[in-house]
Amino acid sequence: DIVMTQSPDSLAVSLGERATINCKSSQSVLYSSTNKNYLAWYQQKPGQPPKLLVSWASTRESGVPDRFSGSGSGTDFTLTISSLQAEDVAVYYCQQYYSSPLTFGQGTRLEIK
Amino acid sequence: EVQLVESGGGLVQPGGSLRLSCAASGFTFSSYWMHWVRQAPGKGLVWVSRINNDGSTTTYADSVKGRFTISRDNAKNTLYLQMNSLRAEDTAVYYCARINYGSNSASDYWGQGTLVTVSS
Repeated sequence: DIVMTQSPDSLAVSLGERATINCKSSQSVLYSSTNKNYLAWYQQKPGQPPKLLVSWASTRESGVPDRFSGSGSGTDFTLTISSLQAEDVAVYYCQQYYSSPLTFGQGTRLEIK
Repeated sequence: EVQLVESGGGLVQPGGSLRLSCAASGFTFSSYWMHWVRQAPGKGLVWVSRINNDGSTTTYADSVKGRFTISRDNAKNTLYLQMNSLRAEDTAVYYCARINYGSNSASDYWGQGTLVTVSS
């Protein structure tokens, strides 16, 4: 199984500041035949289901604010929120869909400082 | 508008059974692979099972293999999860989710979830 490890476990950032969440996979999730990274980022607010923010490591979903961006390749990935807004308080998860079983990171809790 | 609505959760004793349903609308259900994902109270997301668009291919997490069965009825636009031999550690909110392209891609739509509690 591919193990996904996020850092940090929790993060407190001031409004308007940058937030950075890291995700490391135990093996590469870059599929050579497609040259795509099989990595997604989700946001989950209390009492709600996860919401897809980014797929293929860096493709932002329609309707997701452009302050959210994904980067990285192979085994190391980053979700960046360029200017934190109050509504961004949530738990963020990375997920690999390169191979079964699909696996998620443990989650990063983002709060306002 | 794409909608996924789970039902069938509740309180069940250890060793018991439940069948979860996920009613889909707003898209061509028969064209999409689907997942079940669960989340224990206060914990992270854990993938449970996946089924292809016509129901002929299924995969399971090791923790549920042999106890859970995923299926679908494309005529009814409904996904199912039959859960047998339930254990306390199966207690969780169960989400159905659509795989947005083919078999290996992210999940672009999720239901609100249904809570399963396994306790005596």
